[in-house]
Amino acid sequence: QSALTQPASVSGSPGQSITISCTGTSSDVGAYNYVSWYQQHPGKAPKVMIYDVNNRPSGVSNRFSGSKSGNTASLTISGLQAEDESDYYCISYTTSSTYVFGTGTKVTVL
Amino acid sequence: EVHLVESGGDLVQPGGSLRLSCGASGFTFSSYWVHWVRQTPGKGLVWVARIKGDERSMNYADSVKGRFTVSRDNAKNTVYLQMNSLRDEDTAVYYCARGAYHLYYLDYWGQGTLVTVSS
Repeated sequence: QSALTQPASVSGSPGQSITISCTGTSSDVGAYNYVSWYQQHPGKAPKVMIYDVNNRPSGVSNRFSGSKSGNTASLTISGLQAEDESDYYCISYTTSSTYVFGTGTKVTVL
Repeated sequence: EVHLVESGGDLVQPGGSLRLSCGASGFTFSSYWVHWVRQTPGKGLVWVARIKGDERSMNYADSVKGRFTVSRDNAKNTVYLQMNSLRDEDTAVYYCARGAYHLYYLDYWGQGTLVTVSS
């Protein structure tokens, strides 16, 4: 199972919006609406930001949103803030009843 | 409050074995899938395995299939990851995480335990 493809890095200025893509195949991202996104600060455990493509868990800012088209899912962070600087990972359930993570994206707030 | 704590990480030689534990509290343990995820220092997250609450179903990543075995003891609220035939590339921080109830994401994570495979 190959890792989902994410850009290595994305940057933006405070207040701007950025979008992180997550590209897979018809056996994972394209198969189900079971893509979730995680934020991970250095030395910390990941935290879920979006699940089932576009749902936010309780307590997550509405500046975070998700979408999917075909085999590509996306995470958008609007109104970028300094605290959003972190690593972000997508993960998808697959047709083999397993999961596969994305390669990860480092978000930098300029 | 949901709490997951991993233990058992250690330095082990290539070809060796190690068993990790994930102790849970704060929820009805037997009702939830539990996953293992690993992360090589400075690298990305990799999904490793999961086990269903009733112990009747397990799934593994291809990279560990046949070498790693996930099990659980619901009486002890603990999930185990038995790792055999360890390789250098198995070096990582291993996290356990709870699968959200009837959903397909990981809602609570432990803080991880470090496994180092080296001679």
